[in-house]
Amino acid sequence: DIQMTQSPSSLSASVGDRVTITCRASQGMRSELLWFQQRPGKAPQRLIYDVSTLQSGVASRFSGSGSGTDFTLTISSLQPEDSATYYCLQYNRYPRTFGQGTKVEI
Amino acid sequence: EVQVVESGGGLVQPGGSLRLSCEASGFTFNNHWMDWVRQAPGKGLEWVANINQDGSETYYVDSVKGRFTISRDNAKNSVFLQMNSLRAEDTALYFCSRELRPPWGQGTMVTVSS
Repeated sequence: DIQMTQSPSSLSASVGDRVTITCRASQGMRSELLWFQQRPGKAPQRLIYDVSTLQSGVASRFSGSGSGTDFTLTISSLQPEDSATYYCLQYNRYPRTFGQGTKVEI
Repeated sequence: EVQVVESGGGLVQPGGSLRLSCEASGFTFNNHWMDWVRQAPGKGLEWVANINQDGSETYYVDSVKGRFTISRDNAKNSVFLQMNSLRAEDTALYFCSRELRPPWGQGTMVTVSS
């Protein structure tokens, strides 16, 4: 199985800050990586697919990058509504595997 | 409008069975893979299983292989998760989704406890 290791597990930042979350895969992948946002009590929402493609309707302050084993989700200017837990997921191999999540507090 | 609605959760004793259903609308159901993802209380997300468009391919996370079966009925725009030999560690909110795309449903809660 491909293990996905996210860091940090949590962070606290201020409105307007630039925030970076990383996801490291246990083996190299192509571009089969997703990022999700999950607000408390809500279903996950896909933010980014194929490493860097922004989901329709998602704010442009979210961006994704990376290749091989190291991937990054960046929030360029943190907003109050970004308080949530963020997860990466690889769909390069079965079973699909999520990172353990990064809780972002504002 | 794309929509998925999960149902069938509940309280079941260890070793028992439960069948989850997910009814989809707003898209051509038989053109898409369908996934089940779960989330134990206070924990992260875990991908459980998926199924291809005609039901001929299925994949599972190791922890449910041999106990869970994913299936679909394209005539009813529905996907199912038959869960047998349930364990306490299967307690979770179960979500279905179209290829992990938005929107997801609100999930259906499964509690395995005596």
